[in-house]
Amino acid sequence: EAQVTQNPRYLITVTGKKLTVTCSQNMNHEYMSWYRQDPGLGLRQIYYSMNVEVTDKGDVPEGYKVSRKEKRNFPLILESPSPNQTSLYFCASSSGLAVSNEQFFGPGTRLTVL
Amino acid sequence: RKEVEQDPGPFNVPEGATVAFNCTYSNSASQSFFWYRQDCRKEPKLLMSVYSSGNEDGRFTAQLNRASQYISLLIRDSKLSDSATYLCVVNGGRSSNYQLIWGAGTKLIIKP
Repeated sequence: EAQVTQNPRYLITVTGKKLTVTCSQNMNHEYMSWYRQDPGLGLRQIYYSMNVEVTDKGDVPEGYKVSRKEKRNFPLILESPSPNQTSLYFCASSSGLAVSNEQFFGPGTRLTVL
Repeated sequence: RKEVEQDPGPFNVPEGATVAFNCTYSNSASQSFFWYRQDCRKEPKLLMSVYSSGNEDGRFTAQLNRASQYISLLIRDSKLSDSATYLCVVNGGRSSNYQLIWGAGTKLIIKP
């Protein structure tokens, strides 16, 4: 089954404790991205990747890191999480540029930073 | 002004009715437009792309008005299963490195 998977689905952590949210897709998509979704705001892009070893900042990259060592995986790293990073996070992938291709989303990771 | 604006709703609509909502965008250079659907606590899924001449997919019709910079979504003969949040998505143009800009969504509740 074609899908995007994220882990963990739910995470409660404390300020400053490094964490990684994994994202994996099995559709051989070049393009992957991370979004956060907060009440009253649209999805905001954190980072995106056009292909292996190619990543770029989105609209809200501060406090986040990513890597793209393999085509299928695009982990999101929070080196020192803070309460303002409490949010719902989605990973997405598409076969080409996001502007013209359907985005396939993972099920989301609900993160709470205390 | 937000780059992509939507009425957050909720729109409470009786089953079988027709409902329409708009989304305005600020970047006149935007070239691609989409409607995504998001069920409560779930991931967004593509509902339909929006083409310049307007397009229809079953009970759903999407239209683009470039002069006034808005897109619309019309749902005819609404079903209970249409209850969801509808997200408007616009290509941000060169100033946004051609990435997608997402509206905050319009919540639709279909009542029996």
